[in-house]
Amino acid sequence: GQQVMQIPQYQHVQEGEDFTTYCNSSTTLSNIQWYKQRPGGHPVFLIQLVKSGEVKKQKRLTFQFGEAKKNSSLHITATQTTDVGTYFCAGPYRGGSGNTGKLIFGQGTTLQVKP
Amino acid sequence: SQTIHQWPATLVQPVGSPLSLECTVEGTSNPNLYWYRQAAGRGLQLLFYSVGIGQISSEVPQNLSASRPQDRQFILSSKKLLLSDSGFYLCAWIDRDNSPLHFGNGTRLTVT
Repeated sequence: GQQVMQIPQYQHVQEGEDFTTYCNSSTTLSNIQWYKQRPGGHPVFLIQLVKSGEVKKQKRLTFQFGEAKKNSSLHITATQTTDVGTYFCAGPYRGGSGNTGKLIFGQGTTLQVKP
Repeated sequence: SQTIHQWPATLVQPVGSPLSLECTVEGTSNPNLYWYRQAAGRGLQLLFYSVGIGQISSEVPQNLSASRPQDRQFILSSKKLLLSDSGFYLCAWIDRDNSPLHFGNGTRLTVT
């Protein structure tokens, strides 16, 4: 079945170091979304990428969507303690009847930042 | 602006007891509604979704059920809880396809 995989599962970095999480889909995606979940909180939408090869930036965060629209990455430059949390990528389910808006999530990458 | 309310925030229930979690959305009409479950340290598993009143689709077989008695109300239920039902339950909505999911604050359920 359709799968979305993320690596690494965990990452510990020293504050100021960079961080990257990678997302790979078993199928071509019409779009990919990224969410952040702080410890004890709920996932919060960060960004959506739609176009092949698209790159978007939010301050220190850089998001990329692969040319084949099957992979994506999130890169954080100079991590801060406020970046701590779990980062999820998600893509639309394929198939089924009609547009349901269902998303399939990767397992997430949990980032720990040492001050 | 749109808001989503989910309650209770935490719940401890004995095995075999019933469950009812409620979620309501304000500020939008005819949203798609979803129930996700997150086991400790794990990803998000879609349990149910609904595209309209009374329309429920189940994603995984289990002893849980969902209902949508009103346009902006989504309820997750169980007649008899199992230990494996423990987890973080998240309600979410979107107002159109491919728009981002908006999650509620979640309910942490512990079945003892």
